[in-house]
Amino acid sequence: DQQVKQNSPSLSVQEGRISILNCDYTNSMFDYFLWYKKYPAEGPTFLISISSIKDKNEDGRFTVFLNKSAKHLSLHIVPSQPGDSAVYFCAASSGDGGGFKTIFGAGTRLFVKA
Amino acid sequence: DTAVSQTPKYLVTQMGNDKSIKCEQNLGHDTMYWYKQDSKKFLKIMFSYNNKELIINETVPNRFSPKSPDKAHLNLHINSLELGDSAVYFCASSQKPSNRGLNIQYFGAGTRLSVL
Repeated sequence: DQQVKQNSPSLSVQEGRISILNCDYTNSMFDYFLWYKKYPAEGPTFLISISSIKDKNEDGRFTVFLNKSAKHLSLHIVPSQPGDSAVYFCAASSGDGGGFKTIFGAGTRLFVKA
Repeated sequence: DTAVSQTPKYLVTQMGNDKSIKCEQNLGHDTMYWYKQDSKKFLKIMFSYNNKELIINETVPNRFSPKSPDKAHLNLHINSLELGDSAVYFCASSQKPSNRGLNIQYFGAGTRLSVL
């Protein structure tokens, strides 16, 4: 019973275009949603987050949108760059666990072609 | 000066053996975690410690025993290794999470365990 789902295992985008990575969740009690980026042979690194009371958060080329009614969030990268090629994990945390427990999706591998 | 470091990076061993993975963080964080990334690629929480105290134990077989000698270290010892234990294990750390607050975790590079 996976509470955070990333249904696209991979995505290929041309350099300069927009990359849209999607994530669905089932638990309406999540307080924060996070995106982590992972390069090969490295651990995930935090990229951007959004509170459950917001619907958009922007940081440079990265924007996360949250649609609570649909239990869906997406990460937009524009313009995409070859260095953005990595695995992106969607994650969600709940105050039920005091914030200690974060649930991760399976990741989406993004390929940005030059 | 790696923030979260775990050793070894690769571990190949036979079924039935006992092995340990070490993790150290120099970020001054109070909370540390162990995650398992299985063949389906999900990162699943195994354990969480806050200031050497076990906070989360996610129905992990008792062959897995975490040990936190101090808040900068969280080691994972695995007894009687099984084929299904083959995975990548990630250590992470964070500030002590506040209730309903944002909890950003910092990860080590992972340990790839192969049980033959």
